[in-house]
Amino acid sequence: EAGVAQSPRYKIIEKRQSVAFWCNPISGHATLYWYQQILGQGPKLLIQFQNNGVVDDSQLPKDRFSAERLKGVDSTLKIQPAKLEDSAVYLCASSSGADSGNTIYFGEGSWLTVV
Amino acid sequence: AQTVTQSQPEMSVQEAETVTLSCTYDTSESNYYLFWYKQPPSRQMILVIRQEAYKQQNATENRFSVNFQKAAKSFSLKISDSQLGDTAMYFCARATNKLIFGTGTLLAVQP
Repeated sequence: EAGVAQSPRYKIIEKRQSVAFWCNPISGHATLYWYQQILGQGPKLLIQFQNNGVVDDSQLPKDRFSAERLKGVDSTLKIQPAKLEDSAVYLCASSSGADSGNTIYFGEGSWLTVV
Repeated sequence: AQTVTQSQPEMSVQEAETVTLSCTYDTSESNYYLFWYKQPPSRQMILVIRQEAYKQQNATENRFSVNFQKAAKSFSLKISDSQLGDTAMYFCARATNKLIFGTGTLLAVQP
């Protein structure tokens, strides 16, 4: 079974530029998550989708971050304009449902460095 | 704020020995789930073990087991017969309506 796919794996951009990350969840998984992991910290949930609807985006900095999951399958996370403090690993994850007991499967992450 | 606390930033253990990683959490919910995730240098989070709060029996998965103390809100991970491949960051996490992670414990298994 294919896992959660993310691209690009690495990205270096200058501050005020924009960047987009793509995620393809495990086939059949209705719930998709984007996490931000700053070096030395645990992952922090940015946004959770159930199919193509947003369940939780309370910690998404909406002035610069946006995410979409138009067809309820793959998803894109965009940052525009980027700030230095956005340097982090962006982890996409998926689960078969939104129940808190469901196992969440993570991708390998997209490393962002803002200079 | 509902948090997850891992008080050990780093730990070291000799190969084949046993190590315990600590985790405490805060929640006002009566039912929730607890997880331990492993994150090797590749950064992919891998589920190690999970515990349902309403189950009193401690979960076990091969060399990995937990000591779940619900009243104390404590959820420690015991790794028996440590192997070099166990070297990684370990994150404790609590799930109610969302998954909240601790800050992690870096475990180094020494040969």
